Amino acid sequence: EIVMTQSPATLSVSPGERATLSCRASQSVSSNLAWYQQKPGQAPRLLIYGASTRATGIPARFSGSGSGTEFTLTISSLQSEDFAVYYCQQYNNWPFTFGGGTKVEIK
Amino acid sequence: QVQLVQSGAEVKKPGASVKVSCKASGYTFTSYDINWVRQATGQGLEWMGWMNPNSGNTGYAQKFQGRVTMTRNTSISTAYMELSSLRSEDTAVYYCARATYDILTGYYHDAFDIWGQGTMVTVSS
Repeated sequence: EIVMTQSPATLSVSPGERATLSCRASQSVSSNLAWYQQKPGQAPRLLIYGASTRATGIPARFSGSGSGTEFTLTISSLQSEDFAVYYCQQYNNWPFTFGGGTKVEIK
Repeated sequence: QVQLVQSGAEVKKPGASVKVSCKASGYTFTSYDINWVRQATGQGLEWMGWMNPNSGNTGYAQKFQGRVTMTRNTSISTAYMELSSLRSEDTAVYYCARATYDILTGYYHDAFDIWGQGTMVTVSS
C-alpha cells in the first residue's frame, strides 16, 4: 500500500498570503495525484487531478505541481473561504490512499 | 444538475450489516465508476473500493475484502455498498463518489469530482 504523507499538519496563514502544502508518496504515483478541500460537515471537493489539472469551476489561485513522489498544492492568495482541511490522494495503485490532511487555519 | 444522493443515517448493532444507497442523477450512470470512501469522526479519508456500474465489476481494498459488497441497479441509477460484521470501528460517514472524466483528453481519472452528501453509520450496542 502506498503511504501518502502530508506536511505540515497545520498551516497558519493570513488572508491574502500564499499557502504551500506538500504531499509525499512512499513510491512513485506518476501524475496520478489529486487534491481535495474539505470543510466541516461537508463532503470533500475535488480541486486538482492529474497532479496539476484544475477541476471544473476551481479558481485559478489553486495550482498543483509535481510528479513521482513529491507534490505541492499552492494557493496563491488565501481567501476567507479557503480555510479548510486539504487532502491529497494517489490513484496510481490499488488501494487508492489519502494523506492525513493539512489544516489551513487563519493566522 | 449532476448529483449523488445517499440514503439516511443508520444505527446498527455489532455484528449486523448495513446497506447504503447512492442515487445518481444528471448524468449517464453507467459511464462513470462509483467509489466508496469513509471517514471516522475527526479522522481522514479511507477508500473502500470501486464499482463499474456498466459491467458490475468491482475492486475492494484488502482491508474490507470479505465484508464489503458493492452492487448496482442500473434501472434506477443507484449504487449500493453493503458492509457486514459491523464493529464499533466501522462508525463513520460513508460517501459515494464519482470518478472524473477529462473532456479535453478523453481519459478517466480515479479522482472523485462528484460526492454524495454522506451517510452516517453508527455501530453501537
